Amino acid sequence: EPEVTQTPSHQVTQMGQEVILRCVPISNHLYFYWYRQILGQKVEFLVSFYNNEISEKSEIFDDQFSVERPDGSNFTLKIRSTKLEDSAMYFCASTGRYEQYFGPGTRLTVT
Amino acid sequence: KNEVEQSPQNLTAQEGEFITINCSYSVGISALHWLQQHPGGGIVSLFMLSSGKKKHGRLIATINIQEKHSSLHITASHPRDSAVYICAVRSEDTGNQFYFGTGTSLTVIP
Repeated sequence: EPEVTQTPSHQVTQMGQEVILRCVPISNHLYFYWYRQILGQKVEFLVSFYNNEISEKSEIFDDQFSVERPDGSNFTLKIRSTKLEDSAMYFCASTGRYEQYFGPGTRLTVT
Repeated sequence: KNEVEQSPQNLTAQEGEFITINCSYSVGISALHWLQQHPGGGIVSLFMLSSGKKKHGRLIATINIQEKHSSLHITASHPRDSAVYICAVRSEDTGNQFYFGTGTSLTVIP
């Protein structure tokens, strides 16, 4: 069965550092998403991506965040200067015809 | 403000019981998803609905667009069903923005 993969599974970084979270969506999917889930809280939408550009973004997705599909397979989320409150699980997802397929998540810890 | 409300927040059931989890939403939607999140954190999509009813094994999902309400039912519940069940809606207005409920934590006791 096709699956969405994410790397790394866990990233620890210092406040102010840049991080790049990587995702490989399912190959024939066209819509890609990043979500975050702060520990103990609900999943929150960050951004959707279609046809090599941002389709929608939430209020959380400010200038510190960016997304890219650099090589047609990887889908990355970059946080330019991490803050303590960026500590969360970040999920990538891609959408087929009917359902979203979620990656296993990257746990980001900012110290 | 919460665009998506779920109830109950927590649910404990005996193995074999019939379970219902409810979801109400306040925005216009193009689709509603039911997701399952396991203790390890992984998220699995169970259903995507835009109308009516869907069934997969022991799981049934229904949606009433007029009432802005959806239910997830689990028949003959089993301890392996223990997880957090999340309702998420895709906004009709913004096309590709999703709003998530806070989840219902289900524990099925043998």
